[in-house]
Amino acid sequence: DVKVTQSSRYLVKRTGEKVFLECVQDMDHENMFWYRQDPGLGLRLIYFSYDVKMKEKGDIPEGYSVSREKKERFSLILESASTNQTSMYLCASSGGGVATDTQYFGPGTRLTVL
Amino acid sequence: AQKITQTQPGMFVQEKEAVTLDCTYDTSDQSYGLFWYKQPSSGEMIFLIYQGSYDEQNATEGRYSLNFQKARKSANLVISASQLGDSAMYFCAMRETPYNQGGKLIFGQGTELSVKP
Repeated sequence: DVKVTQSSRYLVKRTGEKVFLECVQDMDHENMFWYRQDPGLGLRLIYFSYDVKMKEKGDIPEGYSVSREKKERFSLILESASTNQTSMYLCASSGGGVATDTQYFGPGTRLTVL
Repeated sequence: AQKITQTQPGMFVQEKEAVTLDCTYDTSDQSYGLFWYKQPSSGEMIFLIYQGSYDEQNATEGRYSLNFQKARKSANLVISASQLGDSAMYFCAMRETPYNQGGKLIFGQGTELSVKP
């Protein structure tokens, strides 16, 4: 079974802090994704990566950066957290499922910025 | 631009009955993929079923089936014999870019399904 793990289920941070969200997958997938999910706005893609050290902006990259130094790990970084970044963050990976582009998701991190 | 539309924000179904969740899509591509995901209150997105645009048969996975009508650009999810554990948000999604360009998906707004005992 595909396994995608995220470093925290719940996280509380203060405005201005630097925040790291980690995502690890164990299926040797090429592609990894970071989304945020907000009520009424659905899932919005922040960044994705289709190879190690490669990154592409999604629909809402402002205020975020990412790092992919190893194939299995994709990190989302909030350089200076703000209250409008309070959200549910979901990581996903793809590259070997029923369809080769089926995305498999982690359990999500509920981030609160005070 | 590609788009996914789920017109039912919320639905109720009686336990053991079948339910259909609607999804329509818009794309000018000939090759595309359609997905359904389930999101329980715990938050994790669970992959349910996939349909490729060239697949001639409707996809099925256990109690889930995808009613694919290509000419109408619809990809409805049918859940047979509903169970209480089926209560969740359901999202329809479509592949936006090819696999070798990242395999990005676009998602609909979701349908919240409640199963009544």
